[in-house]
Amino acid sequence: GQNIDQPTEMTATEGAIVQINCTYQTSGFNGLFWYQQHAGEAPTFLSYNVLDGLEEKGRFSSFLSRSKGYSYLLLKELQMKDSASYLCAVSEVSGGSYIPTFGRGTSLIVHP
Amino acid sequence: DTEVTQTPKHLVMGMTNKKSLKCEQHMGHRAMYWYKQKAKKPPELMFVYSYEKLSINESVPSRFSPECPNSSLLNLHLHALQPEDSALYLCASSHAPGLAGGDTQYFGPGTRLTVL
Repeated sequence: GQNIDQPTEMTATEGAIVQINCTYQTSGFNGLFWYQQHAGEAPTFLSYNVLDGLEEKGRFSSFLSRSKGYSYLLLKELQMKDSASYLCAVSEVSGGSYIPTFGRGTSLIVHP
Repeated sequence: DTEVTQTPKHLVMGMTNKKSLKCEQHMGHRAMYWYKQKAKKPPELMFVYSYEKLSINESVPSRFSPECPNSSLLNLHLHALQPEDSALYLCASSHAPGLAGGDTQYFGPGTRLTVL
C-alpha cells in the first residue's frame, strides 16, 4: 500500500513560482499523477511521471525521483485561477489490477 | 469525445429510498471507477471495474452496489444509506489498468448526494 504525504496548504503571490512536494512509500510503482481540483468540481489531470526526471507542460512541470519516493509539481507565473487543491496520486499495480491512491491534497491560495 | 458524464448532478434521498447514480464514457476506456469525496478530503476509491468485471472493492458497505452493464456504462445503486454517506460521488475512467501512461483517469463532474 501507499503512504502519501503532501502539505495541507500553501499560499503564493500572483506571478510567482510555487513548488508543491509529495512523498510516498509504495511497492509495484506504476506512476505518479498530479491532478488539479477546484472547489466543488472534479479533479482534472495535470501530469504523469513514471520515469525519473522532469516533465514540462507550459506553466506546469512535474518531477519524480523513484529512489527517493519524491515528486514535486512546479507552477510558474501563477494566476489567480490557479487557486485550487492539487492532488498527488500514486498508481500501484497489485494482482494485475491498478490501484490508484490519492494524497490528501494541497490547497493552494494565490493572492494578488 | 474526452468526456465522462454523470447523472444526476444533485440527489437528495431519505434513508429508506433506493436510487441509482449513472456514469457514461465513450472514449473506449476499459477501466471505470467510483470514488467518494467528502469536503476538503481527497477522493476515496470505492470500486474498480476492469473489462466490465469488478476487480476492486475497497471494503465498501453493501448498501452501495456497483454495476457495469457494458464497457461504456457504470452504475452505483444506493439503498438504505446513512446521513454520513452524504458526499460527492465521482466516476472516472482510464484506458486500461496496469499500463504505463495508460491509466490516466478522466473524471466526471460528480453527483452531490445528500442523505436525510
